Amino acid sequence: EDKVVQSPLSLVVHEGDTVTLNCSYEVTNFRSLLWYKQEKKAPTFLFMLTSSGIEKKSGRLSSILDKKELFSILNITATQTGDSAIYLCAVDSNYQLIWGAGTKLIIKP
Amino acid sequence: DGGITQSPKYLFRKEGQNVTLSCEQNLNHDAMYWYRQDPGQGLRLIYYSQIVNDFQKGDIAEGYSVSREKKESFPLTVTSAQKNPTAFYLCASSIDRSGGFNQPQHFGDGTRLSIL
Repeated sequence: EDKVVQSPLSLVVHEGDTVTLNCSYEVTNFRSLLWYKQEKKAPTFLFMLTSSGIEKKSGRLSSILDKKELFSILNITATQTGDSAIYLCAVDSNYQLIWGAGTKLIIKP
Repeated sequence: DGGITQSPKYLFRKEGQNVTLSCEQNLNHDAMYWYRQDPGQGLRLIYYSQIVNDFQKGDIAEGYSVSREKKESFPLTVTSAQKNPTAFYLCASSIDRSGGFNQPQHFGDGTRLSIL
């Protein structure tokens, strides 16, 4: 059975800290891995990763995929209170997205 | 601006009632999806549609029904057969499914459904 596991499930840090969120997967037909940020309402798209070792970067956020070890990480540097959200990871397998449970990130001022 | 509109934001249902959640998009996307989100769990796919007048069951379709009469609209009906409907429902769309789901999905703001 396809599955996506995110860790930790929740994380509390102080503003300015750097955080690393993890997403591991076991799927039958990997096509891509996606990261989304959800702040109470609509998840918003962050990154799509298809190739190992190629970092995707957007401001203070970056992500990389390891297709050999079957995981991805999402890094956030110099965190701000606006980064508080649930971060969702999803894997495209066999024409369907398999979603992780999410990591709830809380940034304290 | 283009986007996905879900309504209502909050919905209360009495036991035994059917309710319909609205989802409209003006992104000209072919594919649309309905997900259910419960606390501490990932999104679970209820139904999806790749084209007008066609839709497919997802992982948890029992107790739900959909229609796709227009490209921009994909309403979800939660029927009385759904025994545990209290959840957050998200509608999404993507350009199409060429190459599979390998394109980002765009989401609406969701509808929170509760049982009275």
